[in-house]
Amino acid sequence: GAVVSQHPSWVICKSGTSVKIECRSLDFQATTMFWYRQFPKQSLMLMATSNEGSKATYEQGVEKDKFLINHASLTLSTLTVTSAHPEDSSFYICSARAELGETQYFGPGTRLLVL
Amino acid sequence: AQSVTQLDSHVSVSEGTPVLLRCNYSSSYSPSLFWYVQHPNKGLQLLLKYTSAATLVKGINGFEAEFKKSETSFHLTKPSAHMSDAAEYFCVVSRTDSWGKLQFGAGTQVVVTP
Repeated sequence: GAVVSQHPSWVICKSGTSVKIECRSLDFQATTMFWYRQFPKQSLMLMATSNEGSKATYEQGVEKDKFLINHASLTLSTLTVTSAHPEDSSFYICSARAELGETQYFGPGTRLLVL
Repeated sequence: AQSVTQLDSHVSVSEGTPVLLRCNYSSSYSPSLFWYVQHPNKGLQLLLKYTSAATLVKGINGFEAEFKKSETSFHLTKPSAHMSDAAEYFCVVSRTDSWGKLQFGAGTQVVVTP
């Protein structure tokens, strides 16, 4: 149980285009989902927290207009990188949690390369 | 505030020998602590978690960790390393400034040699 999927697993796009990444909890309802980014050989940095049906809250320094997050249902959250630039190239990982205080379960990640 | 420090960025062990990954934390409250493993180009898998119950926590794949409040440590051990244990390991503490969020350590890369 507690499986989280992400789609796509990797994506290459041109600079200036937008990219959408999906995060799904497959066998549980996730009231909260988290989005992280990870640069090569570095740790995970939390970008934002999304609760189903409400606006996402962003960590300090993360541009909310650039990284659009939608958590429309209890099993799906999306991250859209708008007007992507090469510096947005990274490994994006989502996690999902059923209830406050419960364990976060992580997706397999999406590798984004912006040319 | 809270922080987590992984004392070794790289650990190399021989197959069949013990593994020790060191982690120290600081937290203004009684923390929840986790160890996650990440295989190359994969997401994170929870190995074990401590949430103020037993101080010796047993996880998956033969790993265990001991919470030592006096030393503010939460070291991860395994008696006998397997080749499949080669991965990145993260020590993680629950954040006190925002309930439910996690603070990750920098990670320890484990290499297992035959």
